[in-house]
Amino acid sequence: QSALTQPRSVSGSPGQSVTISCTGTSSDVGGYNYVSWYQQHPGKAPKLMIYDVSERPSGVPDRFSGSKSGNTASLTISGLQAEDEADYYCCSYAGSHWVFGGGTKLTVL
Amino acid sequence: EVHLVESGGGLVQPGGSLRLSCAASGFTFYSYAMHWVRQAPGKGLEYVSAISSNGGSTYYANSVKGRFTISRDNSKNMLYLQMGSLRAEDMAVYYCARVAHGSKYDYWGQGTLVTVSS
Repeated sequence: QSALTQPRSVSGSPGQSVTISCTGTSSDVGGYNYVSWYQQHPGKAPKLMIYDVSERPSGVPDRFSGSKSGNTASLTISGLQAEDEADYYCCSYAGSHWVFGGGTKLTVL
Repeated sequence: EVHLVESGGGLVQPGGSLRLSCAASGFTFYSYAMHWVRQAPGKGLEYVSAISSNGGSTYYANSVKGRFTISRDNSKNMLYLQMGSLRAEDMAVYYCARVAHGSKYDYWGQGTLVTVSS
């Protein structure tokens, strides 16, 4: 039950695009289309942003998109806005358990 | 509107026990699997435990297996986590979360803090 690998931090200027990667194995990310992404602001509960690799819940801006290739999933945020500055976590089903990434701090410059 | 409210956190000595509760409202509780997820201070999210909609199946992270027990009471719309043999590394904010379609945590509670210290 090893954590998925995410970059510790990424940054971008307003209006730019950033991509956060999430690398696992064939037993989790690569084995199931059950990758989800969560945004967490300081002191707040996580919020679902993407599920089933690329599906977006209602209310989440279409600036957020997800994809997967092999054992690596990615979250792309386009048209960066100040309010996007937060921690982002990926999560994957891994066959009777779930595993999170270590989290990525997004800084909007 | 979906609401999940955790309670039961607090200060406990190493080796002690604690029971967390999560009160659910605004949805048909018995139709959804539920999970506990924790976050140590300044750290990332960690899956802890899961329970199926009818309570018949339970799952645990290796880090808590044999020490924690997840349960639910669908008649009361309540989720529980009985924690035993607590260690310093169990100190965290514990969130209950609803799982939809088996794959997404679509609603989270506000969390309850468990502090393990002598």
